[in-house]
Amino acid sequence: VQLQESGPGLVKPSETLSLTCTVSGDSISNSYWTWIRQPAGQGLQWIGRIHGSGRSKYNSSLRGRVTMSADTSKSQFSLKLTSVTAADTAVYYCAREITIFGVVTPTLDPWGQGILVTVSS
Amino acid sequence: DIVLTQSPGTLSLSPGERATLSCRASHSVSSNYLAWYQQKPGQAPRLLIYGASSRATGIPDRFSGSQSGTDFTLTISSLEPEDFAVYYCQQYEDFGQGTRLEIK
Repeated sequence: VQLQESGPGLVKPSETLSLTCTVSGDSISNSYWTWIRQPAGQGLQWIGRIHGSGRSKYNSSLRGRVTMSADTSKSQFSLKLTSVTAADTAVYYCAREITIFGVVTPTLDPWGQGILVTVSS
Repeated sequence: DIVLTQSPGTLSLSPGERATLSCRASHSVSSNYLAWYQQKPGQAPRLLIYGASSRATGIPDRFSGSQSGTDFTLTISSLEPEDFAVYYCQQYEDFGQGTRLEIK
């Protein structure tokens, strides 16, 4: 299974960050898929998760700015983050939640390579 | 939310030595969902341990995980040069702040 993030590397302040994660080697239909971000030199922040069916959950600290969607026909899921500021500058990763003995867990494997998104005018 | 506190912040050791990294949860958590990741510069995190003590596919057996109450430990029995990296623990949607393992 491989995941690959894509999208603009530069976004202007107040605009919307849009990223896509393309999955190969697995169907997205029956798993949860997660977005994580990491500002330079800092730790990991969970952004949210989406199931292939469309069920989603987001980090409340992002105050309603996050929307995720899934397109099973393209084996892709997407992230939109509105009203971005410099604080949203980070490497963004997509990852899959693993299932252990049929139980979905929040453990993430594999991860995409990450994409750097810079918020700047 | 759960707060995961990792210690130490930085650990300086030599190849061949034993590394012990700690992750303490703010309250009782399920060991089923405690994971450890390794991250090298410029790379994505890689899953090492899931369910507190199970090694992920392809992870060498020098890596092991354990739990005692709300304290979780990642142990590297004998450090190899490629083990020097940053290590994160995770429980549900929360990550620890990381431990940097550096060459002494």
